[in-house]
Amino acid sequence: GENVEQHPSTLSVQEGDSAVIKCTYSDSASNYFPWYKQELGKRPQLIIDIRSNVGEKKDQRIAVTLNKTAKHFSLHITETQPEDSAVYFCAATRTYKYIFGTGTRLKVLA
Amino acid sequence: EAEVAQSPRYKITEKSQAVAFWCDPISGHATLYWYRQILGQGPELLVQFQDESVVDDSQLPKDRFSAERLKGVDSTLKIQPAELGDSAMYLCASSSLTSGGSDTQYFGPGTRLTVL
Repeated sequence: GENVEQHPSTLSVQEGDSAVIKCTYSDSASNYFPWYKQELGKRPQLIIDIRSNVGEKKDQRIAVTLNKTAKHFSLHITETQPEDSAVYFCAATRTYKYIFGTGTRLKVLA
Repeated sequence: EAEVAQSPRYKITEKSQAVAFWCDPISGHATLYWYRQILGQGPELLVQFQDESVVDDSQLPKDRFSAERLKGVDSTLKIQPAELGDSAMYLCASSSLTSGGSDTQYFGPGTRLTVL
């Protein structure tokens, strides 16, 4: 069946450094790729998304890149801050059907 | 800003008891999802509604779980009887297909279930 692989499962970075999280999907019909941030005990919240007709999207310190040929997409966080510490989930979707990655626990060390 | 509402936020029950969770999606969102999230893992879809119709319940353990969305607005997820392995966070999400073709899902705060 369809799946999304997400790496790494945990990531520790020093404050101010960059963090990169990678996802690979299997369903070639996927056309929308959101990223969610989930803080402990809170709901997943959308932080950025990208559609299949776009290769890169940036919003302040976060950016997402998509390689449709290789079927992988990545989240980039620059100038990390302690409040970026959370679990991040990627998803690959095609009209209403979401497949989530297993999550990456990001720790930003002050 | 409109949000998905869920209740209760926390539920502790003993195994073999019945539990029910409620979700109120963002107004106007036709699609509603129930997910189960085990600590440290991504959300796993249990059931998906389009208006009042179930469009995907392939991962729903139908011997003990049931879900309904009678009027196509709010929804209830029930477990009867609860088992120890059902302890998890139960998340509800809703979405609405936009003119741009995206169907961003917005999540509720979840119900954390503990089965003793």
